[in-house]
Amino acid sequence: GAGVSQTPSNKVTEKGKYVELRCDPISGHTALYWYRQSLGQGPEFLIYFQGTGAADDSGLPNDRFFAVRPEGSVSTLKIQRTERGDSAVYLCASSLSPARGQETQYFGPGTRLLVL
Amino acid sequence: GESVGLHLPTLSVQEGDNSIINCAYSNSASDYFIWYKQESGKGPQFIIDIRSNMDKRQGQRVTVLLNKTVKHLSLQIAATQPGDSAVYFCAENSRGAGSYQLTFGKGTKLSVIP
Repeated sequence: GAGVSQTPSNKVTEKGKYVELRCDPISGHTALYWYRQSLGQGPEFLIYFQGTGAADDSGLPNDRFFAVRPEGSVSTLKIQRTERGDSAVYLCASSLSPARGQETQYFGPGTRLLVL
Repeated sequence: GESVGLHLPTLSVQEGDNSIINCAYSNSASDYFIWYKQESGKGPQFIIDIRSNMDKRQGQRVTVLLNKTVKHLSLQIAATQPGDSAVYFCAENSRGAGSYQLTFGKGTKLSVIP
């Protein structure tokens, strides 16, 4: 079956621009997560959705970052006024039903964001 | 030892040997642990997970050991193959905190010598 997909695979933008990154989770997975990975580091948590609502957004670094999941499936991570320090790989993961013990997170290939 | 920036701990093993990758965690409240394999340019790939009520779990060619007393996790790979070359991350979660976010370790780079 299809895994987690993310688009675009690469995104180059200029400092100050707005970007949107999209994640399609595995079909039927109720939970969706965004992480950010800098070169040579492990992924760092950004935000977690259970259904349509953001259950935990404690990892968002500042108010330039925002994410939505309006229909409980696809999610979009939005970054306003991008800065060079935002350059990283943005990873999306989904899990079937963490509240029922089905919490294994399956990751997508990531979107490589480069802010010039 | 500790890694900083691009300097990941590296483990080099001969093809066919067993590999052991270690991970220390700091949160004594963590109750779920997971190992991922990440190849260059790809997302993390699930290998195996374990809950805190277990101390050992086996998969295909892999075994995870959990020692809660010293907060240590290890991944054993039997008969290591060239395709096992990648960076391996351990991650933990404390469901009691009300979230399922994973906290990742720094990673270990496994290089398999043919």
